[in-house]
Amino acid sequence: KQEVTQIPAALSVPEGENLVLNCSFTDSAIYNLQWFRQDPGKGLTSLLLIQSSQREQTSGRLNASLDKSSGRSTLYIAASQPGDSATYLCAVKGDKIIFGKGTRLHILP
Amino acid sequence: EAGVTQFPSHSVIEKGQTVTLRCDPISGHDNLYWYRRVMGKEIKFLLHFVKESKQDESGMPNNRFLAERTGGTYSTLKVQPAELEDSGVYFCASSPPGSSYEQYFGPGTRLTVT
Repeated sequence: KQEVTQIPAALSVPEGENLVLNCSFTDSAIYNLQWFRQDPGKGLTSLLLIQSSQREQTSGRLNASLDKSSGRSTLYIAASQPGDSATYLCAVKGDKIIFGKGTRLHILP
Repeated sequence: EAGVTQFPSHSVIEKGQTVTLRCDPISGHDNLYWYRRVMGKEIKFLLHFVKESKQDESGMPNNRFLAERTGGTYSTLKVQPAELEDSGVYFCASSPPGSSYEQYFGPGTRLTVT
């Protein structure tokens, strides 16, 4: 049974710092891994999708990596801004789509 | 291009009543998914349609939940009768044909059962 864990559960960092969010999964038989952000009271916004054959994806200040063999993915955010404050979720797609509980990120102005 | 839309955005009903949630996927997306997030828990998969067929409904909590996707376009999720533990946010997502495409989520319907 696939389990997805996100560490830390919450994180506060000063504006301008670079940061890394972690996602680990127990079953490496996946099609892809997707990172989302969710703002309070809003839906999910897709940030990056990494296919199982890929190692990383980049979009602007965001870079996501995938190491299937070790069951890990990281989301790197460069030069953080207050607007980056949100909950970040990773979801692993295998036979089913399994979400982690998310990391609540707060960027301090 | 319009994204995934859900209606209503918020519903408050009493225990024992019936509620129907609607999801309109992105045009051309054969795959449609329903998810639920209850307070303090992670988002959990409910079911997956490919066109009008239920591909996987293993996440449906019990037989009080009924999902339909007539004609392979929009989908409805009916809860009858609603219980207190059904409160949460119900998300719908869609993706193009195939298994490896990213999912596009709707804004969710917040259901409160009192």
